[in-house]
Parts: sequence; C-alpha cells; structure tokens
Amino acid sequence: SSELTQDPAVSVALGQTVRITCQGDSLRSYYASWYQQKPGQAPVLVIYGKNNRPSGIPDRFSGSSSGNTASLTITGAQAEDEADYYCNSRDSSGQVFGGGTKLTVL
Amino acid sequence: QVQLVQSGAEVKKPGASVKVSCKVSGYTLTELSMHWVRQAPGKGLEWMGGFDPEDGETIYAQKFQGRVTMTEDTSTDTAYMELSSLRSEDTAVYYCATDRIYYDILTGYYRAYNWFDPWGQGTLVTVSS
Repeated sequence: SSELTQDPAVSVALGQTVRITCQGDSLRSYYASWYQQKPGQAPVLVIYGKNNRPSGIPDRFSGSSSGNTASLTITGAQAEDEADYYCNSRDSSGQVFGGGTKLTVL
Repeated sequence: QVQLVQSGAEVKKPGASVKVSCKVSGYTLTELSMHWVRQAPGKGLEWMGGFDPEDGETIYAQKFQGRVTMTEDTSTDTAYMELSSLRSEDTAVYYCATDRIYYDILTGYYRAYNWFDPWGQGTLVTVSS
C-alpha cells in the first residue's frame, strides 16, 4: 500500500499563517482529507474534497493540492488550533493516513 | 446528522478476542460506509478496514487480514469490529468513522466520498496479562 508523509511537528506564531503538507503517490489520483485531533478527543474533519470545510469549521482553514502533495493552510492561527493534524486519502488498497503533524501555536 | 456511539472500554488477555460496537443514529447503516481506525498510545491513526461501496464488500488493511472481522446489523444500525489473537501491541483506542455513499449516475456505480465524518468517541482496548 502507499504511504502519506507529513512533517512530525510544525510551529506558528499566534495570528500568522502556517502550511502543513502531506506527500504521497495516492494524492495524484485522490483528494486528501484533513483531520484535527486534540488530546483525548476523536479526530474531527476540517477539510475534504478539493477545498471544502464542514459546517462549523472556521474559514481560516483551507486546503490545496498539486501533484503528489496536499496542503492544509491555517491563515491567522489561533491558540485553539494547537493540535495534531492528519491527512488521509484513498489508495489502491483502501485508505491510508499520514503520520500526523503536531502543530504548536507560539 | 449522523451520530456514532461506541461501546465501552475493554481489558483483554493476550490471545483473546475483542468485539467493539458502533451504534449509528441519524442515518441508516445502508446509507453509510463504515470504517475502523485505531490509535496506539502516543501514535498516529491507522486504518484497519471498511466497507467499499464500489466493490460492495468490506476491505481490510493487509496488516489485519485474517485477524479482523467487520460486520453490520442493519436491523439495529450497529456496526461491529472484532479483533482476534490479541497481543500487547493491539492496545489502542479504536474508532469507528463514517463515509457517505452516493449513486454516481454517470457510471451507474455506488461510490463513497472518501472522507470520514463523524467519528465515534473511541473505545480503549487494553491487552495485558
């Protein structure tokens, strides 16, 4: 099965913009979806499809894709955005998750 | 709106089996593609398997084939994940997560949207002697 690669950790200053990336061959064929997970909680979908946000997700979250790389951008990061972020896509064997990126808001 | 409620925490001995349930409300199971994802302590998310409407069958991650069985009771809209031959490395929080099924009129096939929303609250399974 394919893999999705994420940077283990990223930091951003409060109010600044941060991009979290996800690389993998499956992303050439399928959109990534992105999940936010805070300690002790279940993951929550934040971006799906080309660049769609579920109801209740702030518009500072956006997604994009190019080639084998998908990106989650947070424009104007807030303290409450500090969390683990995971990308996911379909692949030839079913589904695959990235290893996750721990976002720290300074 | 779909809501998922999972069964409670379990403690099992090595070699035993565990069966976790996931009760659906707001939709019927036939409208959903149910998947199971686990997360070992301090680790990332790991897809275990789920229903693929394009094939009309449940597919399992290769790592778990032969050890995991995912079933559904459409009369109660409850999904189940059973994992056998448990070992300490199976200690994890197990989540159910749903994808939506839709009919693609262009191809005549049922498909899934390929995103998971919502997730159940998680079930901690501890494997210890």
